[in-house]
Amino acid sequence: AQSVSQHNHHVILSEAASLELGCNYSYGGTVNLFWYVQYPGQHLQLLLKYFSGDPLVKGIKGFEAEFIKSKFSFNLRKPSVQWSDTAEYFCAVNDRAGNTPLVFGKGTRLSVIA
Amino acid sequence: KAGVTQTPRYLIKTRGQQVTLSCSPISGHRSVSWYQQTPGQGLQFLFEYFSETQRNKGNFPGRFSGRQFSNSRSEMNVSTLELGDSALYLCASRAVTNEKLFFGSGTQLSVL
Repeated sequence: AQSVSQHNHHVILSEAASLELGCNYSYGGTVNLFWYVQYPGQHLQLLLKYFSGDPLVKGIKGFEAEFIKSKFSFNLRKPSVQWSDTAEYFCAVNDRAGNTPLVFGKGTRLSVIA
Repeated sequence: KAGVTQTPRYLIKTRGQQVTLSCSPISGHRSVSWYQQTPGQGLQFLFEYFSETQRNKGNFPGRFSGRQFSNSRSEMNVSTLELGDSALYLCASRAVTNEKLFFGSGTQLSVL
């Protein structure tokens, strides 16, 4: 069974600081990888996804993530965070080969302070 | 195009009662998934329906059940509610397998 591990439960950064949120998954097969974001009071929305091809994927709002197959990782990055990036971030994975559900990590809460 | 709609938005029940939550997927989406979200536990998968058939099921007790209708609308039911069932229940739909999920705003269930 797949599982996702997000290393940081809560991250606090000042505006303009760089962000990296860790995500590791456990699965030996071919996977699809996702990062979702949940802003306060809003529904979950997709930030970016990786299915195949270039392992460096770019998403909305200046976010990017790099898939490193040898490390089973899909870390999320942003060079300079803004106050509006305050949200909860979820990494998710599913098996590309079959009709498997999307498995989520426990989430990382990001607080950006002025 | 309207998004995923969940009703009701908030629900308060007492232990032992049962509850039914409703989800209308995005038009044209035949897959509906349900998740339970609690602080510190993230999203835990409940089940997925595709064309009225349950395709996947998570590790939840039999008190949690669901169904999908011919118009792709879905309901989930929790019987004999327990305090630990208090959570945000999220519904998500997608058009085809391996495509991204579109989430609704959720139903916040409080069990007293």
